Amino acid sequence: AQSVTQLGSHVSVSEGALVLLRCNYSSSVPPYLFWYVQYPNQGLQLLLKYTSAATLVKGINGFEAEFKKSETSFHLTKPSAHMSDAAEYFCAVSVSGGYNKLIFGAGTRLAVHP
Amino acid sequence: GAGVSQSPSNKVTEKGKDVELRCDPISGHTALYWYRQSLGQGLEFLIYFQGNSAPDKSGLPSDRFSAERTGESVSTLTIQRTQQEDSAVYLCASSSRQARDTQYFGPGTRLTVL
Repeated sequence: AQSVTQLGSHVSVSEGALVLLRCNYSSSVPPYLFWYVQYPNQGLQLLLKYTSAATLVKGINGFEAEFKKSETSFHLTKPSAHMSDAAEYFCAVSVSGGYNKLIFGAGTRLAVHP
Repeated sequence: GAGVSQSPSNKVTEKGKDVELRCDPISGHTALYWYRQSLGQGLEFLIYFQGNSAPDKSGLPSDRFSAERTGESVSTLTIQRTQQEDSAVYLCASSSRQARDTQYFGPGTRLTVL
């Protein structure tokens, strides 16, 4: 069975500060890992994905995440927050190698203040 | 090209009525997924189509829920005898053979059951 835990349902940062959103996963098989972002009243947009290649993954809008097998983590970071980054972020896991359902974490709402 | 589209964007219905939600995947995408996003349960997988067959229906919450897909095209999610707990945003996603692990999401249908 697979599961995802996102630590912190709400994170607040100042504009220009580091963004760190935490994600830990559980999987009995090699996982694929994803970060999605959801803006108000919109669907989910893929930020980045880990699919067993490089452990440091770069995505859109300056975000990156590092897969750490020993820590079963896939935390999302961005060096400098923008006001436009305010949204809800979801970490997800699926079984590697094919069509498979995504198992989502509960989400983290990011607020960016001036 | 066009993304995943869903209709209607909003649906308000009375308890006990049947509703149909539609999803048009990205052209050429062979796999199609339905998810539900609700306040209490977060993002949950409902059903997955490969072509017009459904190898994984494990997330459908009850026999009031059903879905079908025409070839590798449109899919319809039907909820019979709606209940208030069915109120949620229903999200559809699709993926291609070339990038099977990457799901692209539509904007969702917000269902409100009165």
